[in-house]
Amino acid sequence: KQEVTQIPAALSVPEGENLVLNCSFTDSAIYNLQWFRQDPGKGLTSLLLIQSSQREQTSGRLNASLDKSSGRSTLYIAASQPGDSATYLCAVCSQAGTALIFGKGTTLSVSS
Amino acid sequence: DTEVTQTPKHLVMGMTNKKSLKCEQHMGHRAMYWYKQKAKKPPELMFVYSYEKLSINESVPSRFSPECPNSSLLNLHLHALQPEDSALYLCASSQDLLAATYNEQFFGPGTRLTVL
Repeated sequence: KQEVTQIPAALSVPEGENLVLNCSFTDSAIYNLQWFRQDPGKGLTSLLLIQSSQREQTSGRLNASLDKSSGRSTLYIAASQPGDSATYLCAVCSQAGTALIFGKGTTLSVSS
Repeated sequence: DTEVTQTPKHLVMGMTNKKSLKCEQHMGHRAMYWYKQKAKKPPELMFVYSYEKLSINESVPSRFSPECPNSSLLNLHLHALQPEDSALYLCASSQDLLAATYNEQFFGPGTRLTVL
C-alpha cells in the first residue's frame, strides 16, 4: 500500500531564504506526483505536476524534482516571501483509475 | 480557465436536515471528485465520478449521496448527518481518470459544513 510522508511537519524561515520541502513515497511505481498549496480554511491550489517520466518541473520561484527510484520529491522555493506562508501538500497517483494519495503536509511560515 | 466553483461557501445544518452541496467546472474535465478534510489533516477521498458514472466510493456512509447530473456538475446530497461530519468538503476535477500520467487535479474553494 502506497504511503506518502512529508518532512518536516512545520517550518519557519525569515523572508528571503531559499528552502526545500521533502516528500517521500513507499512505492516507486507512480504515474505522477503533484504539489499543492493550501491556505487556512481554503481549497487546494495546484502548484506543479511531475509526470513519472520527468525529473523536474519549474514555475516561477518554485522547482519540484522527482527521483522515482529513491521514492522522493523535493519542492524548492527560492527567495521566500511572507505570502508563501501556507501548508504544502504532495500527492501521488499510484494506479490508473484511482485518486491521489496525500501526505500530511508541511506548514510553512515566512516571517518579514 | 482552471476554476472549480463550489456552493455554498458555508453551511450550518441540524441532524434532521437535508441539504446539498454543489460543484461546477467548465474545463471539459471528465473526472470529478468529492473529498472531506478535517482540521490539520490531508483531504480524504469520498467519491470519484468518471464520465458521469460513479467509479470510486470509499465506503462512505449512505447519509452522503453523490450525484453527477452532467459532465460539468457534481452534487453531494446530505441527510441525517452527525456532528462528526462537520468538515471542509472539497470538490476537484481532472481531465480523465484513466489518463493517469497527465491527470492533474484542480480543486474548488470548498464548503465549510457545520452539523449541530
